[in-house]
Amino acid sequence: EVQLVQSGAELKKPGESLKISCKSSGYSFTRYWIAWVRQMPEKGLEWMGIIFPGDSDTRYGPSFRGQVTISADKSTSTAYLQWTSLKASDTGMYFCARFYGGYDPHPFDYWGQGTLVTVSS
Amino acid sequence: DIMMTQSPDSLAVSLGERATINCKSSQSVLYSSNNNNHLAWYQHKPGQPPKLLIYRASTRESGVPDRFSGSGSGTDFTLTISSLQPEDVAVYYCHQYYTTPHGSFGQGTKLEIK
Repeated sequence: EVQLVQSGAELKKPGESLKISCKSSGYSFTRYWIAWVRQMPEKGLEWMGIIFPGDSDTRYGPSFRGQVTISADKSTSTAYLQWTSLKASDTGMYFCARFYGGYDPHPFDYWGQGTLVTVSS
Repeated sequence: DIMMTQSPDSLAVSLGERATINCKSSQSVLYSSNNNNHLAWYQHKPGQPPKLLIYRASTRESGVPDRFSGSGSGTDFTLTISSLQPEDVAVYYCHQYYTTPHGSFGQGTKLEIK
């Protein structure tokens, strides 16, 4: 059974660092991209960035480049999203999702349950 | 970047009636190499992750009820729910993956019961 399990909710202060995780199981981790999607409070879904764990090829959406870092650990089938200095505007729900690329791509068919990040002084 | 614009922003439909949501892309998402539109639709309910309903603009994901259908090509797409059920109340998003592995979402359409 394919599963993406995310780390738990976080309450952080502005300026703090944070790394959240998305652990995959039930499929070949290195054959699918893992994307991160943000949902700010009462807002829509935003495509943040994506990584291919097979070779660590990573792409970022224009609004997120330089603001976050996406990484993956093949040995534990885990993808990560990290911030070095959080802002209140980073408050939101963060989802990871699996994507199959290639000639006939298949979009986000499995999702993590979401990680709520709250940044408040 | 490809911009995705959905209409309407919100929609109220009576139970058993048809619901129609539109999505327009700023450029074509028809991939000439495979003649597929790289366009997907998701359903998102509070407290849950989004759920993939439709990909390739018109292919239903496994397990999705056949009252959900997708149509369109190029830059204009439609998600239709043929007979609205109570469990269909959600926010619906279109998603282009033409720029694979990059992608982008529409702003969402909130569907409610009238």
